[in-house]
Parts: sequence; structure tokens; C-alpha cells
Amino acid sequence: EIVLTQSPATLSLSPGERATVSCRASQTVGSYLAWYQQKPGQAPRLLIYDASYRATGIPARFSGSGSGTDFTLTISSLEPEDFAVYYCQQRNFWLTFGGGTKVEIK
Amino acid sequence: EVQLVESGGGLVQPGGSLRLSCAASGFTFNNYDMGWVRQAPGKGLEWVSTISDTGTSTYYGDFVKGRFIISRDRSKNTLYVQMNSLRVEDTAVYYCARAVSGSRWYFDLWGRGALVTVSS
Repeated sequence: EIVLTQSPATLSLSPGERATVSCRASQTVGSYLAWYQQKPGQAPRLLIYDASYRATGIPARFSGSGSGTDFTLTISSLEPEDFAVYYCQQRNFWLTFGGGTKVEIK
Repeated sequence: EVQLVESGGGLVQPGGSLRLSCAASGFTFNNYDMGWVRQAPGKGLEWVSTISDTGTSTYYGDFVKGRFIISRDRSKNTLYVQMNSLRVEDTAVYYCARAVSGSRWYFDLWGRGALVTVSS
């Protein structure tokens, strides 16, 4: 099983600031990595797939980068609606999710 | 409206069975692979199972160990998961999800989830 480790567990930032969330895989996943956003009481929402492609309707302030074992989700300038939990997910070998990073208001 | 609506959740005793359904609408259900993802209370996401658009191929997470069966009714635009030999640790919200076209391993449309509680 490929284990995905996200860091930090919690990120405390203010609106307008830049958010950077990391995801490290226990073995290479190529570019087969996605990012999801989940708000309390809601289902996850696909943001990024194949490491850097934005899903339909996702604002340009969300971007993804990386390959192999190290990946990054960047939110260039946090909007109030961006405070949520973010998960990475790999599809190179079956399907696993990271443990999540909570982006909270500072 | 494009949506997925789960039903069939509830309380079941350890060792019992439950079948979840997911009604799809607003898109051509038969053109998409579909899956189930679960989330235990206060925990992260865990992939449960995926089925191909034709229903001929099915895939399961390791923890399933032959206890769950995913299926679909293409005439009813409905996805199912039959869960047997349920354990306390299967307690979770179960989400139905549509796979990204051309990639059965990412999910771009999710239902609101169905809560399954396994407890005596």
C-alpha cells in the first residue's frame, strides 16, 4: 500500500495569505495525484488531478505541483470559503488518501 | 441537476448486513465508472470500491476482504454496495462518487453520504 503523509496537520492563516500544503508518498506515484477540499458536513470536492490539472470550475488561485513522491497544493490568496480540510489522493497503485490538512482561520 | 443521492444507511448489529443505494441523475450514468468512499467519524477518507461503467470490472480496498459487493443497475441509474459481516470499525459515512471520465481512480462528483453505524 502506498502511504501518503500530509503536512502540516493544521495550517493557521489569515484571508489573503498564501497556503501551502504538502503530500509525500511512501513510493513514487508518478503524476497520479489529486487534491480534494472538504468542508464540515459536506462531501469532498475535487480540486486538482494528475498533480497539476484543475478540475472543472476550480478557481485559478488553486494550483498543484510535484511528481514522484513530493507534491504541493498552493492556494495563492486565501478566500474565506477556502478554510477547510484538504486531502491528497494517489491512483498509481490502487487508491489511497492522505490524512488531511486543516486550513483554519488565524 | 447533476447529483448523486445515497440511501439505505442506518444502525446494524455487528455481523449484520446492509445495502446502500445511490441514485444518479443529470448525467449519463452508463458512461461513467463509479465508486464508494467512506469516512469514519472525525477521520479521513478511505476508498471502498470501484466498478467500471459496464459493470464487468470491480475493485475493492484491502479491508473489504470479500465482505462487500459493488454493483450497478444501468436501467435504473443506480449504484449499490452490499455490505456483509459488518464490523464496528465499518461505522462511517459512505459516499457514492462518480469517477472522472477516462480515469476511474479520481472522483469528481460526490453524494452527500449515508451514515452506517455498526453497534450492538
